Amino acid sequence: DQQVKQNSPSLSVQEGRISILNCDYTNSMFDYFLWYKKYPAEGPTFLISISSIKDKNEDGRFTVFLNKSAKHLSLHIVPSQPGDSAVYFCAASDVSSGSARQLTFGSGTQLTVLP
Amino acid sequence: DTEVTQTPKHLVMGMTNKKSLKCEQHMGHRAMYWYKQKAKKPPELMFVYSYEKLSINESVPSRFSPECPNSSLLNLHLHALQPEDSALYLCASSHNDAGGWETQYFGPGTRLLVL
Repeated sequence: DQQVKQNSPSLSVQEGRISILNCDYTNSMFDYFLWYKKYPAEGPTFLISISSIKDKNEDGRFTVFLNKSAKHLSLHIVPSQPGDSAVYFCAASDVSSGSARQLTFGSGTQLTVLP
Repeated sequence: DTEVTQTPKHLVMGMTNKKSLKCEQHMGHRAMYWYKQKAKKPPELMFVYSYEKLSINESVPSRFSPECPNSSLLNLHLHALQPEDSALYLCASSHNDAGGWETQYFGPGTRLLVL
């Protein structure tokens, strides 16, 4: 049972336009959500996070939106740049997993930004 | 500084070899994690150490043996691996504040090939 789902395996956008990556979750105990970016054969790089007490968090070109009632979050990248081309993983954690929180990952979305 | 380092970067080993993977962080984090990642899949949790004690073992075969010598170091000892164990092995760390919203920071990974 996949508790975190990224239904789009891939997304292509033009340079300068907005990239929107989506993530859905089923576990209502999740209270912290993270986005990671991953290049091939490298470790995931933390991008941005949001806690369940917020509905939006911004950091430069990256904004994450959380809709708790729909159990949905999205990552917006504006403007998109070719260097943003990577696999993006959505991850979630819940307080019941203890202070050393376990992350539940989505399956990832390959973003390609076309010059 | 959010750096987690891992050595070696690449490792090729035979099924009868014994080798170790090393991970280090100097962020004062008290939780450390080992993940395994296969191509085009999300990271899969193997072990969690909390305050240098093993707190989670996700039913990992005994040919993988973790060790946490101190709060900055994490090792993964490998013995009698199988070719299907070939993967990217990732280390991560987080603060481990009770009840906090934890961000895990990942190292670059060790690319392991078992022949």
